[in-house]
Amino acid sequence: KAGVTQTPRYLIKTRGQQVTLSCSPISGHRSVSWYQQTPGQGLQFLFEYFSETQRNKGNFPGRFSGRQFSNSRSEMNVSTLELGDSALYLCASSLGGGVINTEAFFGQGTRLTVV
Amino acid sequence: AQSVAQPEDQVNVAEGNPLTVKCTYSVSGNPYLFWYVQYPNRGLQFLLKYITGDNLVKGSYGFEAEFNKSQTSFHLKKPSALVSDSALYFCAVRDRGSTLGRLYFGRGTQLTVWP
Repeated sequence: KAGVTQTPRYLIKTRGQQVTLSCSPISGHRSVSWYQQTPGQGLQFLFEYFSETQRNKGNFPGRFSGRQFSNSRSEMNVSTLELGDSALYLCASSLGGGVINTEAFFGQGTRLTVV
Repeated sequence: AQSVAQPEDQVNVAEGNPLTVKCTYSVSGNPYLFWYVQYPNRGLQFLLKYITGDNLVKGSYGFEAEFNKSQTSFHLKKPSALVSDSALYFCAVRDRGSTLGRLYFGRGTQLTVWP
């Protein structure tokens, strides 16, 4: 069974640009979450989607947004990039749908570098 | 507010010796508890979880963790460390009232096992 797939693996963008990251969850998983990992702040929760609806949101500015499609694939977008947005962005998928005692499975991440 | 503490940034242990990576948490109610491992330039890999029941939980690659409710701790252990266990370890908690993908992570502990 394929794991969580994130594309692209690496990105280099210029300040002020925008970027879209993609995540395909494990087949059958309907919950997708996004995390930002930096050396200074560690792992921080961005948002979570289930059945195309945002279920939970972390404390990030509105430049960070996401969406989920009917096939559970998810994208996150960062607009007006800042140097501080350089990070490893991790996507996690979970079963969802009332199965509460399950763990989240993470993808390999997308390494975003803003120059 | 929910929080997770990993009091040691680094743990060094000789191969063949037992290892312990410490984790304490502050979450309202009875949380779900998890351990993840991260290898360089990779995503997070699930090791084990505590949902309910026995306080000693066994997971992947010979790891186990002990849940102590009174001390609000969930320490990761392994009886005999391997050089290949060297990696970054994260403790995470999920509030039982929260959504599946909303995890609170510790800052991580770098484990080094020397030959």
